[in-house]
Amino acid sequence: GAGVSQSPRYKVAKRGQDVALRCDPISGHVSLFWYQQALGQGPEFLTYFQNEAQLDKSGLPSDRFFAERPEGSVSTLKIQRTQQEDSAVYLCASSYSRLSGGWEKLFFGSGTQLSVL
Amino acid sequence: GQQLNQSPQSMFIQEGEDVSMNCTSSSIFNTWLWYKQDPGEGPVLLIALYKAGELTSNGRLTAQFGITRKDSFLNISASIPSDVGIYFCAGPPSGAGGTSYGKLTFGQGTILTVHP
Repeated sequence: GAGVSQSPRYKVAKRGQDVALRCDPISGHVSLFWYQQALGQGPEFLTYFQNEAQLDKSGLPSDRFFAERPEGSVSTLKIQRTQQEDSAVYLCASSYSRLSGGWEKLFFGSGTQLSVL
Repeated sequence: GQQLNQSPQSMFIQEGEDVSMNCTSSSIFNTWLWYKQDPGEGPVLLIALYKAGELTSNGRLTAQFGITRKDSFLNISASIPSDVGIYFCAGPPSGAGGTSYGKLTFGQGTILTVHP
């Protein structure tokens, strides 16, 4: 597709349930990022992949959060034993650059809105 | 960590008016980015600034990179209804290299409402 695709658009989970959120980046994009956006706030960095390697996971809030990108394309963010404070929009972004350092334009998806009841 | 403070938090203006908003930080940024987010969508890049003092325009939008490198400003001229949305400033951590370049810090946003 032309842009970053995320699914599902909306997810309602009962507290304690596990959820999996999918991101299809723009074809050929090497770098992939996950951000969490709480209501009324700006996005906050969760984790970063370069191809299949997870190079930075410093933003993951707890060990209940796990992300993978096994073939260097599609990525899945998994949240185990969801809590109410996990309710947020989860945004995926991708960029082309293979270069380290400097800045490269990120293309964001529309996000998955997670509501934990 | 680095934090970005945006003001105002929200604005209600009439169509045709000019808009100004700003973003400040307690630490230096080497790149300033301005994004717009429409309801139910992800942020979209509007303007990127790379040098202190730089003034860059994109149509009716103009942004400036503050001389101190601790602030940035976004102006919208002759606002129209489709300017409605949330405007975010953002930047990568200063001194970041390697794996951190896409790890952006975002402000909390300025909500813009334009009345026809």
